Amino acid sequence: GEDVEQSLFLSVREGDSSVINCTYTDSSSTYLYWYKQEPGAGLQLLTYIFSNMDMKQDQRLTVLLNKKDKHLSLRIADTQTGDSAIYFCAESPGSASKIIFGSGTRLSIRP
Amino acid sequence: NAGVTQTPKFRILKIGQSMTLQCAQDMNHNYMYWYRQDPGMGLKLIYYSVGAGITDKGEVPNGYNVSRSTTEDFPLRLELAAPSQTSVYFCASSRQTSGSGEQYFGPGTRLTVT
Repeated sequence: GEDVEQSLFLSVREGDSSVINCTYTDSSSTYLYWYKQEPGAGLQLLTYIFSNMDMKQDQRLTVLLNKKDKHLSLRIADTQTGDSAIYFCAESPGSASKIIFGSGTRLSIRP
Repeated sequence: NAGVTQTPKFRILKIGQSMTLQCAQDMNHNYMYWYRQDPGMGLKLIYYSVGAGITDKGEVPNGYNVSRSTTEDFPLRLELAAPSQTSVYFCASSRQTSGSGEQYFGPGTRLTVT
């Protein structure tokens, strides 16, 4: 079945780059997403990438997709304290009404 | 637009009690979803709806029921609450499932069953 895996924790120093990794199993995934969840809030879409792309950049965010290895990463440049949150990788396999979420990576920022 | 709203924010239930979690969206989205999020886990889809009058089971539907009488509202009903239903519940909506399929989330309802 479909599965999305990510590491649970990442700690980086303020100003450094953060790289959050994700692997997925469904090769028919059409869209892959990164959602951000701040404490006490719902998830908010950060960015997404279509499966025929290998990179997407949006200001401080860079998404890399390796479709052959089914690996997705999110790079946050110049990480700030406001980036502290849980980041969820998700995939849409193209079937109706389904997005599969990973367990989330908790990003903490050290001064 | 208020987006997706959920009530209540918090609730404590005793085992065997029932309750309805309310969800509403004002974006005229056809698709609506209910998820539960357990500590350290991702989101599990409980039920979803592709339009008024149409609902379908997700990954973990047991112990829950939904209805979709209007485009705006998608309540989730818990009958005979059990401790295993202690979780944070999120409602979401989306305009479509093709295209980017971005889902908009409500702030969540934190439910404790004791």
